[in-house]
Amino acid sequence: SQQGEEDPQALSIQEGENATMNCSYKTSINNLQWYRQNSGRGLVHLILIRSNEREKHSGRLRVTLDTSKKSSSLLITASRAADTASYFCATALNQAGTALIFGKGTTLSVSS
Amino acid sequence: KAGVTQTPRYLIKTRGQQVTLSCSPISGHRSVSWYQQTPGQGLQFLFEYFSETQRNKGNFPGRFSGRQFSNSRSEMNVSTLELGDSALYLCASSLSWTSGRNIYEQYFGPGTRLTVT
Repeated sequence: SQQGEEDPQALSIQEGENATMNCSYKTSINNLQWYRQNSGRGLVHLILIRSNEREKHSGRLRVTLDTSKKSSSLLITASRAADTASYFCATALNQAGTALIFGKGTTLSVSS
Repeated sequence: KAGVTQTPRYLIKTRGQQVTLSCSPISGHRSVSWYQQTPGQGLQFLFEYFSETQRNKGNFPGRFSGRQFSNSRSEMNVSTLELGDSALYLCASSLSWTSGRNIYEQYFGPGTRLTVT
């Protein structure tokens, strides 16, 4: 079964609003990553948070990690139409982090 | 730097045939991972190659195989294709290790969309 599970599966918002996606995972991790995928294309790495970090920011992205609850959240502030995509959290099967397990993803639709 | 390239981008095959997909990683990246994406199962890890050796393998049947060449380019092969093998196959490259620390970010190619009829 998938290591990470995102919630909600789909999210529709207006431009300018914030979007929050949640991810749960099952085993101990060294880090957790978030990726974006635009309509059946390759994934783009967004942000990585290490297990000893609780929060991390990158531009309009804010990621939190709660290792006690085995969960993470991704917040996109002031959403734009260009943020429309699927978002996946990923944890690693191996120490090197090159064998990723992805959740089912959250499909975000931002309308103008 | 050029990104990860995958060829071909689209492929239509018949059940029972075999197929070979190619991936060229970002220059300098030694790790190449392969993933299968389907609507039902989502993104699933196939295998990873590092310095021409398979370092990790996902839970796929032996019909799925791969290899990596000395220039880090990788190929994956699927033999005796089944309808369920229809998917987007994604390749990702990573620096993996530099200056004494792990580099975890993976860079994905655009994928090869395989349709099996």
